[in-house]
Amino acid sequence: AQSVSQHNHHVILSEAASLELGCNYSYGGTVNLFWYVQYPGQHLQLLLKYFSGDPLVKGIKGFEAEFIKSKFSFNLRKPSVQWSDTAEYFCAVNAYTSGTYKYIFGTGTRLKVLA
Amino acid sequence: GAGVSQSPSNKVTEKGKDVELRCDPISGHTALYWYRQSLGQGLEFLIYFQGNSAPDKSGLPSDRFSAERTGGSVSTLTIQRTQQEDSAVYLCASSFAAGGPSYEQYFGPGTRLTVT
Repeated sequence: AQSVSQHNHHVILSEAASLELGCNYSYGGTVNLFWYVQYPGQHLQLLLKYFSGDPLVKGIKGFEAEFIKSKFSFNLRKPSVQWSDTAEYFCAVNAYTSGTYKYIFGTGTRLKVLA
Repeated sequence: GAGVSQSPSNKVTEKGKDVELRCDPISGHTALYWYRQSLGQGLEFLIYFQGNSAPDKSGLPSDRFSAERTGGSVSTLTIQRTQQEDSAVYLCASSFAAGGPSYEQYFGPGTRLTVT
């Protein structure tokens, strides 16, 4: 079955530290990849997405992610985090399988940035 | 513009009662999704609609859970004979279509269900 794995469940960083959150998926076909973010007390919202072209995609607030097809990975990065990046981050995969579209989310990574 | 709305925002119910949760998607969005978010469990897919039909109901946890969508718009998630383990935040999302390169989902604020 298709799945999305986020290896880090909780991450604590100091401001200005670099961030990398791992995301691996299991699906051999064409996929569309997403990172969503949920700030405290707010709705889930799209951070960035990949569907084709340059495997390095840039999103809002200085985030970027790199699609490495050979590794089935779509890791999220930010060179220097801010206190306001404290949130929960979800990786998601959209793929067509078994006659229907599947939209699968990882279990999320809670990021806490210390001021 | 108007986003995805859900009602009620909070619902407290007694074990064994039925509850209905409502979702109003963004106008023009044909795909609608229901998820359950529990602490430490991430987002659990429940069901999705393309128009009024549900191609994938695989995530519904038991036959106590059902959902419908009418007019290609509003959707209702019904939980019958609620149990304490049903306590969670129920999220609804909509997208322009169910799949494709850029069809990201837009999420509502959720309904927090507490079963006592």
